[in-house]
Amino acid sequence: GAVVSQHPSWVICKSGTSVKIECRSLDFQATTMFWYRQFPKQSLMLMATSNEGSKATYEQGVEKDKFLINHASLTLSTLTVTSAHPEDSSFYICSALRASGGQETQYFGPGTRLLVL
Amino acid sequence: GIQVEQSPPDLILQEGANSTLRCNFSDSVNNLQWFHQNPWGQLINLFYIPSGTKQNGRLSATTVATERYSLLYISSSQTTDSGVYFCAVASGTYKYIFGTGTRLKVLA
Repeated sequence: GAVVSQHPSWVICKSGTSVKIECRSLDFQATTMFWYRQFPKQSLMLMATSNEGSKATYEQGVEKDKFLINHASLTLSTLTVTSAHPEDSSFYICSALRASGGQETQYFGPGTRLLVL
Repeated sequence: GIQVEQSPPDLILQEGANSTLRCNFSDSVNNLQWFHQNPWGQLINLFYIPSGTKQNGRLSATTVATERYSLLYISSSQTTDSGVYFCAVASGTYKYIFGTGTRLKVLA
């Protein structure tokens, strides 16, 4: 199957610090990855599309200078939350797009819980 | 943009019962997936089903694209089926819009 990992799974940080989250596709290459945010008891909201070798595209209302995305290789995308504040506390989930059997399917990582104090 | 509504929002079942979850979307789509989010937050792919019917064990799904809805059937439910079920749709791209979710609890 298609496996996507995220690291770290949990992070607690002080307000004003930056936090980097890694998303890796372990057994397939992904030119496209996605970053989502999920608040408690809510649905997933797409933040940005990460494209290998080019700039990420951000959804409306998502600050690109605050949420830095780098897709440096076909198996790794990183999301850096800069100058984190308590309102950035959330569950961040990445997905990787895999082409197989004529269809392209998103496979999700296990998520990263961020708590900003 | 496309609106995705799921029903019911909450569902409690006795173990062994069957259920049907519904996903309505407001515009035509060419990608649709069903996911199960377990209590630890992991999203698990259930079906890629932009149209037609698929079955996998106790689960099956049907999408009627022309009428803009999809159904997920769970038969002989088990406690491990508990969690949140999401459908997600996309039109022309792979940028998914997630539905509102159905929170399922299966009691032993």
